[in-house]
Amino acid sequence: GESVGLHLPTLSVQEGDNSIINCAYSNSASDYFIWYKQESGKGPQFIIDIRSNMDKRQGQRVTVLLNKTVKHLSLQIAATQPGDSAVYFCAENYGGATNKLIFGTGTLLAVQP
Amino acid sequence: KAGVTQTPRYLIKTRGQQVTLSCSPISGHRSVSWYQQTPGQGLQFLFEYFSETQRNKGNFPGRFSGRQFSNSRSEMNVSTLELGDSALYLCASSLVGTSSGNTIYFGEGSWLTVV
Repeated sequence: GESVGLHLPTLSVQEGDNSIINCAYSNSASDYFIWYKQESGKGPQFIIDIRSNMDKRQGQRVTVLLNKTVKHLSLQIAATQPGDSAVYFCAENYGGATNKLIFGTGTLLAVQP
Repeated sequence: KAGVTQTPRYLIKTRGQQVTLSCSPISGHRSVSWYQQTPGQGLQFLFEYFSETQRNKGNFPGRFSGRQFSNSRSEMNVSTLELGDSALYLCASSLVGTSSGNTIYFGEGSWLTVV
């Protein structure tokens, strides 16, 4: 397979703090990126996306930053809440006539009350 | 508006059997993709369908197959099940067939356990 998911990195934050989750993507030709949140026993839930012609996009309490030079993506969550506890995945799309996504390994966000 | 619906949600099969999983995309969505999720390998792409045609296939053996119907509903089949096929199988749908910024939504998945 193309996705390697061995050890799941964990980010532990205090409730109310800001969280930053990082992701390195693999293909410099990728032109579309998505962040998903996955809670235990559920499918991935769309959070925010960004196209390669942008370097920043904001949503409600979330911001995605894209650095194409170093092939790096980050998700910032403001005022983290206990309900934000989940595994977060970044995914890249290589572009063209396909919706195929390549997923990162995921990061477990643990919010301490 | 209903989301991506997958059935069954949970199932247990014996080695050597086959299984069929079903996915109903969001109404109006024409693109359906399937993924396998395991603790060891993470989320891996299986295949993608658009307008009843398979456009892309991941690195899985031929035991894994799928199809899409004219109403965009999709099924995937795994034959001669192996213990390593135990996983969460996820279906995703999107409106169009290109990465033109159209959002890709996932269902809750089908949990398959092979014993």
